[in-house]
Amino acid sequence: AQKVTQAQTEISVVEKEDVTLDCVYETRDTTYYLFWYKQPPSGELVFLIRRNSFDEQNEISGRYSWNFQKSTSSFNFTITASQVVDSAVYFCALSEASNNNDMRFGAGTRLTVKP
Amino acid sequence: ETGVTQTPRHLVMGMTNKKSLKCEQHLGHNAMYWYKQSAKKPLELMFVYSLEERVENNSVPSRFSPECPNSSHLFLHLHTLQPEDSALYLCASSQEGAGNTDTQYFGPGTRLTVL
Repeated sequence: AQKVTQAQTEISVVEKEDVTLDCVYETRDTTYYLFWYKQPPSGELVFLIRRNSFDEQNEISGRYSWNFQKSTSSFNFTITASQVVDSAVYFCALSEASNNNDMRFGAGTRLTVKP
Repeated sequence: ETGVTQTPRHLVMGMTNKKSLKCEQHLGHNAMYWYKQSAKKPLELMFVYSLEERVENNSVPSRFSPECPNSSHLFLHLHTLQPEDSALYLCASSQEGAGNTDTQYFGPGTRLTVL
């Protein structure tokens, strides 16, 4: 079965610092999908990005960027010039094409951005 | 606004009560999910419905009973719960196609407390 590891339980930074959230995954499938979600204090999981296993191109969206490396089974998320509103719990998740209803989440990383 | 709503947002119930959680999606999706999020544990997939049929039940105790009357609505009926069932219950929906994994969009969750 697939597995997602987010080794960083909590990270605290000061506003305007850059921060990288790590995500390492395990899967036997050759076709799979990786996701990042943000969970603010309100509780709702907000979708940030989806990547399929055949697309290793890194992506940038404003202050957010993602680094997908199949060689190290990692899908890391970087926030540039962090802001207080970025404070949330961030989840990395993996879904295999062979069992696409079963999305496995990492334990999450709680990011606190201090003013 | 993710297009997935959940009611109630907060619920306190005794162990002998019967209550129901409701989820509604306005995204035209054909699959819906219930997740449980407990403190210090990864999100746990409970139930999956695709085209209104249950396709996955991850060994959830029978005191949780799902119902999917149509592709837009999903219920979770609760009876004789235990204090350890206190958690945030999240609903999600996605558009499933032939072997395709689409993104799951989440509702705000119901914070359940069992006394």
